Amino acid sequence: NAGVTQTPKFQVLKTGQSMTLQCAQDMNHNSMYWYRQDPGMGLRLIYYSASEGTTDKGEVPNGYNVSRLNKREFSLRLESAAPSQTSVYFCASTPDTDTQYFGPGTRLTVL
Amino acid sequence: DQQVKQNSPSLSVQEGRISILNCDYTNSMFDYFLWYKKYPAEGPTFLISISSIKDKNEDGRFTVFLNKSAKHLSLHIVPSQPGDSAVYFCAASAFGAGSYQLTFGKGTKLSVIP
Repeated sequence: NAGVTQTPKFQVLKTGQSMTLQCAQDMNHNSMYWYRQDPGMGLRLIYYSASEGTTDKGEVPNGYNVSRLNKREFSLRLESAAPSQTSVYFCASTPDTDTQYFGPGTRLTVL
Repeated sequence: DQQVKQNSPSLSVQEGRISILNCDYTNSMFDYFLWYKKYPAEGPTFLISISSIKDKNEDGRFTVFLNKSAKHLSLHIVPSQPGDSAVYFCAASAFGAGSYQLTFGKGTKLSVIP
């Protein structure tokens, strides 16, 4: 039981490049979330998915898109990366309770 | 505006003493509160939680207190150990749009000095 996994662990992009961050969970959880964490800030919600086939915007959705591919997988896409998107990205899931379980994170640098 | 505030960015405590981390919130709709612990280069891990209908929850060395009238909660760690050195995030939960939503504070970096 791997819990929540994220790939890649690290990524460096140039401004304007695109990429997709992958997240998968093997706990049969319905809800999944994408957060970003910046220095001196808490975790801010980008997008979430309450169930397979649904997605909704969080606090900071601009510049991102998401896909809930199936119950296990929830991906985050940057279509045209900007330096302001340099951050650490965390994926989380929950079995329809308040407690969310987090992946190890993806550290993204946009030059 | 910040709905969940952790006003102390950092805290240093001697090993064996008590660590007290504080958190304030503004939204009365929050009905569940959680503490997460985060080590560098790792994801946050769930530590302890409390429902809004309780005022205390204890799990080993960790106790969370909730003062609903003051919209304040605190995490007590007794005794503190060097392995407790990490960033602690307070989070508040509300249910909306089909899922539970967490709002996080900015975190408090705890350093436990041997």
